[in-house]
Amino acid sequence: EAGVAQSPRYKIIEKRQSVAFWCNPISGHATLYWYQQILGQGPKLLIQFQNNGVVDDSQLPKDRFSAERLKGVDSTLKIQPAKLEDSAVYLCASSPRDSSEETQYFGPGTRLLVL
Amino acid sequence: GENVEQHPSTLSVQEGDSAVIKCTYSDSASNYFPWYKQELGKRPQLIIDIRSNVGEKKDQRIAVTLNKTAKHFSLHITETQPEDSAVYFCAAIGTGNQFYFGTGTSLTVIP
Repeated sequence: EAGVAQSPRYKIIEKRQSVAFWCNPISGHATLYWYQQILGQGPKLLIQFQNNGVVDDSQLPKDRFSAERLKGVDSTLKIQPAKLEDSAVYLCASSPRDSSEETQYFGPGTRLLVL
Repeated sequence: GENVEQHPSTLSVQEGDSAVIKCTYSDSASNYFPWYKQELGKRPQLIIDIRSNVGEKKDQRIAVTLNKTAKHFSLHITETQPEDSAVYFCAAIGTGNQFYFGTGTSLTVIP
């Protein structure tokens, strides 16, 4: 089966600019996650969707980050405006059902560098 | 919320030796504990997981043990090979189905 797709793979922007990432989960997967992975650290959950509804966004910096999953399939994560500390890899993952006790399949990630 | 601690942060072993990575968690309601392997520049990939109703699970050279009373779980890799070199992350599912990852262990297997 096709894996989780993400684009772009790399992005370099200047601070205060805006950026958007796109994720296409595995077909049929109900749950979609966005993670931020700073170099040398474990992934940190930013937001979790079940179909097109938000399950958890408690760790999403809502003053600058936003995410949506229209139609319950693809998702976009936006940062506006970006800060230097947003430099990280943004990972998207999906799982088949509505429980977190399911294997998460990760995409290749988008590596963001904010200058 | 859940707090997952992982030790050691780096680990070097000789090829053929065993490697053990330990994680502790704080939320007694956590009931699912996956382990991920992440090679440099690649995505995390699930290598083994365990649920709270099981104390141990094994898959070839990899095993995971869970002690719910002490709130810790461990990854055991036997007969290590150079291709086992990677960063390993533990995770725990806390209250509200949130995924919490440990800080990672960089494993180096020396040929």
